[in-house]
Amino acid sequence: EPEVTQTPSHQVTQMGQEVILRCVPISNHLYFYWYRQILGQKVEFLVSFYNNEISEKSEIFDDQFSVERPDGSNFTLKIRSTKLEDSAMYFCASKDRISVEAFFGQGTRLTVV
Amino acid sequence: KQEVTQIPAALSVPEGENLVLNCSFTDSAIYNLQWFRQDPGKGLTSLLLIQSSQREQTSGRLNASLDKSSGRSTLYIAASQPGDSATYLCAVQDDYKLSFGAGTTVTVRA
Repeated sequence: EPEVTQTPSHQVTQMGQEVILRCVPISNHLYFYWYRQILGQKVEFLVSFYNNEISEKSEIFDDQFSVERPDGSNFTLKIRSTKLEDSAMYFCASKDRISVEAFFGQGTRLTVV
Repeated sequence: KQEVTQIPAALSVPEGENLVLNCSFTDSAIYNLQWFRQDPGKGLTSLLLIQSSQREQTSGRLNASLDKSSGRSTLYIAASQPGDSATYLCAVQDDYKLSFGAGTTVTVRA
């Protein structure tokens, strides 16, 4: 069964460093999303992406964040200069044009030290 | 802004008891509502998705209802088992995104 794949499963980075979280969406999907979940808190929407541009972004998604679909298979989230409060589980999701359901990856746990 | 609330925040029941988890949302203009399961430190497992035109969905021991006009959904889990212990998240979808509740953490005692 097709699935959304995220790498790495866990990343530790120093404060101020840039990180790139990678996602491989399901192959025929056209809509892509990033969500995050700080430990003990709600899952929060970050950004949605369609047709090579951002469809919607939340207040969390400031200038420190960017997304890219560098080729036909990957979808990345970049955090330019990480802060301690960026420590969270980051989930990627994708959806096709017809289905109502977005499918989630298993997440990348980002720890900023 | 859509607000999703889940009550109770935590629930502990003996094995075999039926579980009733509640979800409410403030804006009824939704496309669908989805229930997820999350084990500690793990990802999101989709359990049931109810489209806005539907009233309920069933999968095995799970049944979810949706009353869009009153902004409520209920997840029923029949004959609970220790393996059902997890956090259950409710999420509603508008045009572009899912808005999640904080979850109900369920413990089923053997």
